[in-house]
Amino acid sequence: DARVTQTPRHKVTEMGQEVTMRCQPILGHNTVFWYRQTMMQGLELLAYFRNRAPLDDSGMPKDRFSAEMPDATLATLKIQPSEPRDSAVYFCASGLTAQGYGYTFGSGTRLTVV
Amino acid sequence: DQQVKQNSPSLSVQEGRISILNCDYTNSMFDYFLWYKKYPAEGPTFLISISSIKDKNEDGRFTVFLNKSAKHLSLHIVPSQPGDSAVYFCAASALNTDKLIFGTGTRLQVFP
Repeated sequence: DARVTQTPRHKVTEMGQEVTMRCQPILGHNTVFWYRQTMMQGLELLAYFRNRAPLDDSGMPKDRFSAEMPDATLATLKIQPSEPRDSAVYFCASGLTAQGYGYTFGSGTRLTVV
Repeated sequence: DQQVKQNSPSLSVQEGRISILNCDYTNSMFDYFLWYKKYPAEGPTFLISISSIKDKNEDGRFTVFLNKSAKHLSLHIVPSQPGDSAVYFCAASALNTDKLIFGTGTRLQVFP
């Protein structure tokens, strides 16, 4: 059963520290997304890639967030420096198209910044 | 600017009755709509979708209705079951992009 794998599942860090979240998309999927779940905004789109090229990162705070795809099997989301307001659940999703069955989500990384 | 809105944060329905979850959107370029279901500590999972060329799509107990003129869609669950208790997200995409824009979610509780 193909799945999107995210690590770590939970992360607690102190304010000011660097945080790196990782995602292994489903093999063959050429589109990868990063979303953040908050109570007020629901699922916010942070960034997405197609064929490893960044297409849109307008949802990310540029000064502290960065997203990359070093290769087709790995997507990373980094926060440096982290702040308490970054506390949320971060989801990675992958797929081929928004049509049909949409995208497959990972189980998320719950980030707590204290 | 929230392009996809779910104005009801929560809904409580008795088992066996109908659940109706609503979603409104503002962007007239959206032409494909999806519903996702999310259980605690899990990622959202695809439930049902509809293209803008249709006004209804049905899959078992789940039916999605689209009213393009009102920029409104709804998800009907009949009959509701306790296992349907989850957060439901509405999402939309435009033809020339693969981005999915999500709403804020509605928490559905189905009680016996």
